[in-house]
Amino acid sequence: GEDVEQSLFLSVREGDSSVINCTYTDSSSTYLYWYKQEPGAGLQLLTYIFSNMDMKQDQRLTVLLNKKDKHLSLRIADTQTGDSAIYFCADGFTDKLIFGTGTRLQVFP
Amino acid sequence: GAVVSQHPSWVICKSGTSVKIECRSLDFQATTMFWYRQFPKQSLMLMATSNEGSKATYEQGVEKDKFLINHASLTLSTLTVTSAHPEDSSFYICSARKFESGTYNEQFFGPGTRLTVL
Repeated sequence: GEDVEQSLFLSVREGDSSVINCTYTDSSSTYLYWYKQEPGAGLQLLTYIFSNMDMKQDQRLTVLLNKKDKHLSLRIADTQTGDSAIYFCADGFTDKLIFGTGTRLQVFP
Repeated sequence: GAVVSQHPSWVICKSGTSVKIECRSLDFQATTMFWYRQFPKQSLMLMATSNEGSKATYEQGVEKDKFLINHASLTLSTLTVTSAHPEDSSFYICSARKFESGTYNEQFFGPGTRLTVL
């Protein structure tokens, strides 16, 4: 079945850029998503990218998609302490979302 | 907006009892709702897909007699954990997809329900 992998942990200094990476196995994905989860809460959609795009920018967020390598990344510019959370990439595989393992981002002053 | 609520936000129950969790789309109609389960420090695992007016489709390994799903209206889906046991303790999250989403599978997530079975 579809598999979506992420690195488990990332620690960055406030003001630096964060890059969270994701790899997936399904080659027929239509959309790929990034969600943010704060402690004890549900998921918040941050951004998404259509599979025929290479890049999408939305304010501090930049998504890069390398479809050949099945690699997705999320760059957060000027990372703030409020960005500390778990970030999930998700593959829009048919009618379902297949979530990655999640990356815990910790921002320190 | 597209707000999804869940009730209760947390519940503690005794082993052997049944627990019902509600998922509501507050300001939109949702033809499809999804139920996920999340263990501590792990990803979300899809349990089932619920379509209004029809039987839910369960993922492999999920017991449909254990986790009863009802999607009686375009704004409400319920998950009942029957005869709950400690291993059912988890964070249950629902999501809802708008009726007019088309090919764009954006799901709006509820805040989750933490179930603890003693």
